[in-house]
Amino acid sequence: EAQVTQNPRYLITVTGKKLTVTCSQNMNHEYMSWYRQDPGLGLRQIYYSMNVEVTDKGDVPEGYKVSRKEKRNFPLILESPSPNQTSLYFCASSSRVPTEAFFGQGTRLTVV
Amino acid sequence: GDSVTQMEGPVTLSEEAFLTINCTYTATGYPSLFWYVQYPGEGLQLLLKATKADDKGSNKGFEATYRKETTSFHLEKGSVQVSDSAVYFCALSYTGTASKLTFGTGTRLQVTL
Repeated sequence: EAQVTQNPRYLITVTGKKLTVTCSQNMNHEYMSWYRQDPGLGLRQIYYSMNVEVTDKGDVPEGYKVSRKEKRNFPLILESPSPNQTSLYFCASSSRVPTEAFFGQGTRLTVV
Repeated sequence: GDSVTQMEGPVTLSEEAFLTINCTYTATGYPSLFWYVQYPGEGLQLLLKATKADDKGSNKGFEATYRKETTSFHLEKGSVQVSDSAVYFCALSYTGTASKLTFGTGTRLQVTL
């Protein structure tokens, strides 16, 4: 089954404690990206990757890091989380020509 | 820059009512247009798409027509069901190596019996 898997689904953490949200896809897609969803703002892109070892900033990259060492995985790293990063996060993947983006189920992060 | 504007929600309808969710866009080029749906507790799923002007996307009884002259991509369904209750997102993207989805803010639809 084609899918994008994110973990964890829910996470509560404290300010400043490094965390990683994992994302894996099984469709051999080149393109992967991270979005955050906030009420009244829709989804905003954080980072994207066009292929292994190729990443770039999206619209709201501050406070986040990513890596793409393997084609299937695209983890999101928060080195020092802050309360304004409390949000719902989605990983997505698509082929190079975007006919459809596949989304993970989301990670609800709360930073206290 | 590119942007997508959707009508404010929530939209509350009775079952079998007609649905319209408005979407307009601002684009520097010639994007593809999409409607994604998010059911409670789930990620987004593609509902339908249109890749050029005058194309009509359709799926599960939903339709939307790419109108270049009015820069619109309104979502319609003739008879909604309770199971259509979800958040609907309009989005645009360009074909290319740095493709990115630009989303509207989403419109919540609540369908009641």
